[in-house]
Amino acid sequence: DQQVKQNSPSLSVQEGRISILNCDYTNSMFDYFLWYKKYPAEGPTFLISISSIKDKNEDGRFTVFLNKSAKHLSLHIVPSQPGDSAVYFCAASEYNTDKLIFGTGTRLQVFP
Amino acid sequence: EAGVTQFPSHSVIEKGQTVTLRCDPISGHDNLYWYRRVMGKEIKFLLHFVKESKQDESGMPNNRFLAERTGGTYSTLKVQPAELEDSGVYFCASSRGSSEQYFGPGTRLTVT
Repeated sequence: DQQVKQNSPSLSVQEGRISILNCDYTNSMFDYFLWYKKYPAEGPTFLISISSIKDKNEDGRFTVFLNKSAKHLSLHIVPSQPGDSAVYFCAASEYNTDKLIFGTGTRLQVFP
Repeated sequence: EAGVTQFPSHSVIEKGQTVTLRCDPISGHDNLYWYRRVMGKEIKFLLHFVKESKQDESGMPNNRFLAERTGGTYSTLKVQPAELEDSGVYFCASSRGSSEQYFGPGTRLTVT
């Protein structure tokens, strides 16, 4: 029973364009959401997060949007760069717990 | 500041053998977590230490897995006896308080 779902296993985007990665969740007790980026043979690296009291958080080229009624969040990367090519994991946690629940990841490829 | 380190990077063992994985968290991080990624699926939580105490071990698959963190510094995860389905990448993460979790590069365990 997967509580965090990333339905697109891969995404290919041209350099300079916008990359949109999507994530859906089923647990209404989640109140904190994160995106991690992972390169091969490395551990996941924290990218950006959002609390359930917000609907948007921005950090440079990265913006995360949260739609609580739809139980959906998305990560926008603009403009996309070849160095953004990696696997992106969506993760969530419930209030007062550090346990992260991850999605299966989306492999982003940014081509020139 | 040194990141989270894990040893070994790769381990190949036969079914029925014992393997011990080690994690050294970032200095000063009281929180230490173990996660596992099996067969390219989602990254799954195993357990969470606060200093030397187990805060949450709800993700431990069965009693063949034993995690320790004596002295509240490094942690070990022992699998005894190993089964084929234990193959995967084991990640360790650490954090200061309830902040973002920093992941190590992982240990790839192959049980044959």
